[in-house]
Amino acid sequence: AQRVTQPEKLLSVFKGAPVELKCNYSYSGSPELFWYVQYSRQRLQLLLRHISRESIKGFTADLNKGETSFHLKKPFAQEEDSAMYYCALQVGGGSNYKLTFGKGTLLTVNP
Amino acid sequence: NAGVTQTPKFQVLKTGQSMTLQCAQDMNHEYMSWYRQDPGMGLRLIHYSVGAGITDQGEVPNGYNVSRSTTEDFPLRLLSAAPSQTSVYFCASSYSVKGVRYFGPGTRLTVT
Repeated sequence: AQRVTQPEKLLSVFKGAPVELKCNYSYSGSPELFWYVQYSRQRLQLLLRHISRESIKGFTADLNKGETSFHLKKPFAQEEDSAMYYCALQVGGGSNYKLTFGKGTLLTVNP
Repeated sequence: NAGVTQTPKFQVLKTGQSMTLQCAQDMNHEYMSWYRQDPGMGLRLIHYSVGAGITDQGEVPNGYNVSRSTTEDFPLRLLSAAPSQTSVYFCASSYSVKGVRYFGPGTRLTVT
């Protein structure tokens, strides 16, 4: 079965520092990968998808199939980036609508 | 558009009681799903639907039932509440089978 691992429960950085939230997955095929963010007292939001190779709020993520990783990066963290971040994996096709989420990383950006 | 709405926001149940968590979306999305969020566990898929009349089980379906009689609504039923079902429940919808695009605000359920 597929699995998503976010090895850091908590990550604390200072404003202006680079930040990297790690995500590793286990799946032998071609997955769809996503990052979601949940700010305090707000609903979950889709941050980015690997297939669109987009940059949202300064965040980027590259799929590394060799290392089975999809780390989320931002060169200069801002205080408003403080939130819970979830990596998610979707496999299969057709009507397979099952997403597997990691356990999340709580990012705190200190002033 | 109201997006994805959930009611109630908070609920306290006694063990053995039943209830229905309501979820509705006004975006004409085919794909809807229910997740529970527990501390240290992330989000886990309970049930999902790929269209009206079509539902399937997710990762943790036991103790929950769903139905999808209309495109707009996807209620989650707790048949006989247990303390292990204390959690925050999120409903979600998407226009595409790829990923989940919109989440509801959540329902915080406590079972005593």
